[in-house]
Amino acid sequence: QVQLVESGGDLVKPGGSLRLSCVGSGFTFRGYYMTWIRQAPGKGLEWVSYISSSGGTIYDADSVKGRFTISRDNAKNSLYLQINSLRAEDTAVYYCATASPVGDGHSYFFEYWGPGTLVTVSS
Amino acid sequence: SYELTQPPSVSVSPGQTATITCSGDKLGDQFASWYLQKPGQSPVLVIYQDTKRPSGIPERFSGSSSGNTVTLTISGTQAMDEADYYCQAWDSNTAVFGGGTKLTVL
Repeated sequence: QVQLVESGGDLVKPGGSLRLSCVGSGFTFRGYYMTWIRQAPGKGLEWVSYISSSGGTIYDADSVKGRFTISRDNAKNSLYLQINSLRAEDTAVYYCATASPVGDGHSYFFEYWGPGTLVTVSS
Repeated sequence: SYELTQPPSVSVSPGQTATITCSGDKLGDQFASWYLQKPGQSPVLVIYQDTKRPSGIPERFSGSSSGNTVTLTISGTQAMDEADYYCQAWDSNTAVFGGGTKLTVL
């Protein structure tokens, strides 16, 4: 069955950096678009970043542009999120999820999700 | 920025029908998805492309679209359906989630 497992979450000081990882199994990872979505404690879901199956197309939320970088290594069935210049408002559970296209291919839904990894930004 | 609006809370009695709405200026031109999330768990896709149900999702979950509003309907609501529900759509290469609706079954 499809499985996604995130790792790399930690307690980090403001201004610090982290690299989150997500390993996929049970499906052809290189054939799937992927995304990161986060959820601050007690808050709703916030989309963060998207990457195409080849890695050639990337979209980012305005709130993270210039600080977060999504990437993938299809040979390792892995998705990454490099997060720099961390702020208190980046504190959240970060989920990786598959992104499946609908319609004209410019819209996506998120079918499979990992359990998430917690990033806490605090001094 | 684009916004999707959901009611913060909906209450329903067991066995009755629950409806959760999601409105957005461009929903008439976009497909929407719905996710449920129980406390301490990851979100689960329950509806995609406005009306389609993934395999494994009970038939009591259905979706519809009219104008700039999409609706999630849960027929014969069960206690296990108590959760937070989020709608989601795309606009200009950006995914947007609604603020979420807490469904209470009482």
